[in-house]
Amino acid sequence: DTGVSQNPRHKITKRGQNVTFRCDPISEHNRLYWYRQTLGQGPEFLTYFQNEAQLEKSRLLSDRFSAERPKGSFSTLEIQRTEQGDSAMYLCASSLASGYQETQYFGPGTRLLVL
Amino acid sequence: AQSVAQPEDQVNVAEGNPLTVKCTYSVSGNPYLFWYVQYPNRGLQFLLKYITGDNLVKGSYGFEAEFNKSQTSFHLKKPSALVSDSALYFCAVRDGRDDMRFGAGTRLTVKP
Repeated sequence: DTGVSQNPRHKITKRGQNVTFRCDPISEHNRLYWYRQTLGQGPEFLTYFQNEAQLEKSRLLSDRFSAERPKGSFSTLEIQRTEQGDSAMYLCASSLASGYQETQYFGPGTRLLVL
Repeated sequence: AQSVAQPEDQVNVAEGNPLTVKCTYSVSGNPYLFWYVQYPNRGLQFLLKYITGDNLVKGSYGFEAEFNKSQTSFHLKKPSALVSDSALYFCAVRDGRDDMRFGAGTRLTVKP
């Protein structure tokens, strides 16, 4: 059983650059979630997909952020014109939909540092 | 709006002693409650969840949690702590909305 994978694991970029992260969910899972975690805080929900449809976006997700899941498998999260405040761990999780009680399984995260 | 609180930033226990990590929640509907553990530079690992039924939920690695509706609590417990249990623990709640809300985390340190 391969779990959720995320690439890259670490990314250092300069302010104003664009970055893209990839998440590969557990193969049979139809839901995919993105979270952001800053130091000393719990994960904060950003957005989620059921299959290829993006069903909800948090108000934390400014217009510089965009997420896609084109074929209902892997997903990408792009941040345009990065700012120092975007520095955080970006976590991806996947689940098999069963109402709101399903368990989300998390990947190792991508740690972003914006200089 | 749903919310979850972990009142202790840090919990220290001696190896072999029982441990408790506290969590309280606030939801408008029926709560779905979760505990996750995070080791350094790793993602979150699922420990256990409460959906309905028995108030005592058993999970991975010998952990259990007790759901208390009147106190709106879901404390994580283990009868005998191990040094390897040292990590960051997160409580999370979902009440039928789409997003899951996490607490700020509690750092558990188990000393030999």
